[in-house]
Amino acid sequence: DAGITQSPRHKVTETGTPVTLRCHQTENHRYMYWYRQDPGHGLRLIHYSYGVKDTDKGEVSDGYSVSRSKTEDFLLTLESATSSQTSVYFCAISDLILRGGRREQFFGPGTRLTVL
Amino acid sequence: GESVGLHLPTLSVQEGDNSIINCAYSNSASDYFIWYKQESGKGPQFIIDIRSNMDKRQGQRVTVLLNKTVKHLSLQIAATQPGDSAVYFCAENSGGGSNYKLTFGKGTLLTVNP
Repeated sequence: DAGITQSPRHKVTETGTPVTLRCHQTENHRYMYWYRQDPGHGLRLIHYSYGVKDTDKGEVSDGYSVSRSKTEDFLLTLESATSSQTSVYFCAISDLILRGGRREQFFGPGTRLTVL
Repeated sequence: GESVGLHLPTLSVQEGDNSIINCAYSNSASDYFIWYKQESGKGPQFIIDIRSNMDKRQGQRVTVLLNKTVKHLSLQIAATQPGDSAVYFCAENSGGGSNYKLTFGKGTLLTVNP
């Protein structure tokens, strides 16, 4: 899986609690992404990072924040989880230079989050 | 595993047959395309990519065809095997390398019958 791990792999939490998901890579890729995947919607980008401490919003960023303090880790935080955030979350990485100009993203195994 | 197959187009084939999965894209500025395979409970896995200056690219048992005139992409899988059963989706990118975001299609569920 291209040296990408996500933790936890499964989590059940209650509405209103904070949740942090972690993505860790060993590929030294510059770009990192957080997606959510829901039936009928496919993969939707939440936030992405283009370097340490450099992040930007995706199409469904409301209710989520991210941080990247070092190249290998990208954290996704739900400040106050809601039932609408029940989903499968995927982290991905890419690097145009390391991949010789190719723009593909490589995905982690996913985290299944259930908010009750 | 995750129920990513709900509401998806489906394709059912017999083992050994060839499969063709289609994808329409909307952004005429897209110049890079990728096919991914996602098995139940796993993350999407890169299969093959193609740039807009090509109309065909072949890999191991897979071929991607690109028709820019009608903004259509297809993935052909030769001699389909049970292990090919998965959701397949395309992704597109525009920006010539300065835009690192991909836009993903909804996917097609491929079922291979033994």
